[in-house]
Amino acid sequence: EAGVAQSPRYKIIEKRQSVAFWCNPISGHATLYWYQQILGQGPKLLIQFQNNGVVDDSQLPKDRFSAERLKGVDSTLKIQPAKLEDSAVYLCASSLARSSSPDTDTQYFGPGTRLTVL
Amino acid sequence: KQEVTQIPAALSVPEGENLVLNCSFTDSAIYNLQWFRQDPGKGLTSLLLIQSSQREQTSGRLNASLDKSSGRSTLYIAASQPGDSATYLCAVPETSGSRLTFGEGTQLTVNP
Repeated sequence: EAGVAQSPRYKIIEKRQSVAFWCNPISGHATLYWYQQILGQGPKLLIQFQNNGVVDDSQLPKDRFSAERLKGVDSTLKIQPAKLEDSAVYLCASSLARSSSPDTDTQYFGPGTRLTVL
Repeated sequence: KQEVTQIPAALSVPEGENLVLNCSFTDSAIYNLQWFRQDPGKGLTSLLLIQSSQREQTSGRLNASLDKSSGRSTLYIAASQPGDSATYLCAVPETSGSRLTFGEGTQLTVNP
């Protein structure tokens, strides 16, 4: 079974530029998550989709971050304009999350995109 | 607001040693608790998920316990190997399928 795919793996941009990240979840997974992980910290949720609807975006800086999940499959996270403090690893995860069981609750993570803002 | 703390922040042990990683959480009304492993430059790999009704879960040399009333979980690694070197993170969701609140992780180094 293929895992969660993300691209690019690395991105270096200057502040005030824009950047986009792409995620392809595990086939059949209804729920998709974007997390931000700053060096030395645990991941923090930015946005959660259930199919193509937003479930939780309470921690998304909406003045500069946006995300979409068209057709309930792939997702794109965009930052415009980027700030120095956006330097982090952006992790995409997916889960079945249709019913209450360990198999469906487990979140599977992609390799992440490491963003450096200069 | 749920807060998750992991102690120690870093741990270095010789190969073969048994070790315990600690995780504590402030709100005991958790749905489950998950342990992950993160290798440098990589994403997170799920190790164990303990439902709130369970006391422990085992997978190979790993054993995770959960004590909801005291707000604690431990990850026990038996007979550690250099390949176990990684950062270990614990996380709890608010409800089934919801966002995870993570600790800051324990960076483990197992020396040959």
